[in-house]
Amino acid sequence: EVQLVESGGGLVQPGGSLRLSCAASGFPFNIYWMGWVRQAPGTGLEWVASIVQAGSNKYYVESVRGRFTISRDNDQNSLYLQMNSLRVDDTAVYYCVRQDPYVSYYAMDVWGRGTTVTVSS
Amino acid sequence: SYELTQPPSVSVSPGQTASITCSGDKLGDMFVCWYQQKPGQPPLLVIYQDTKRPSGIPERFSASNSGNIATLTVSGTQAVDEAEYFCQAWDSSTSTGVFGTGTKVTVL
Repeated sequence: EVQLVESGGGLVQPGGSLRLSCAASGFPFNIYWMGWVRQAPGTGLEWVASIVQAGSNKYYVESVRGRFTISRDNDQNSLYLQMNSLRVDDTAVYYCVRQDPYVSYYAMDVWGRGTTVTVSS
Repeated sequence: SYELTQPPSVSVSPGQTASITCSGDKLGDMFVCWYQQKPGQPPLLVIYQDTKRPSGIPERFSASNSGNIATLTVSGTQAVDEAEYFCQAWDSSTSTGVFGTGTKVTVL
């Protein structure tokens, strides 16, 4: 079964840091782009970051560039999101997603169930 | 920054057709995806590359994309189709993504 399972969310104070992890299974992790999408409470979806298969190229939404770092470990079938200098408006459910560059032109075709990040004093 | 605009809500009677629009500058030059999200669940891909349905998505879901508007159509709408729907475009020149504002579909 194709699966993505996020972990690492929690409550953190403004200015703090958090590292999210995503464990992938059921598919050849190293041939797909991977990404993070977030959803603030009661609002819509926001693409956060994506990373290419080998991890050499990374892309970010402007609001997190310089604060967040996406990375991956293909040996461990894992995706990460290091979040620094967190702000109250980073509060959201963070979803790990698979992006297929071959068949569906980077569509986010597999989603995890999400992990909740709350930034509050 | 690039923006995609959707109507906040659409209402439809069971068995009728629901159409959801997504507008953005020169959107027809990009590939559009559509996602369905039900309360408490992650989004589900229902359309990719403007018009294609992933395996397992019913044929009543169809879509188009031209000019500045992409449209998701749900024909013969069922109660199970009640959800929020988001369009999404991927800018291949910058490798960045953007989601639409979302449309809540209510089946009356």
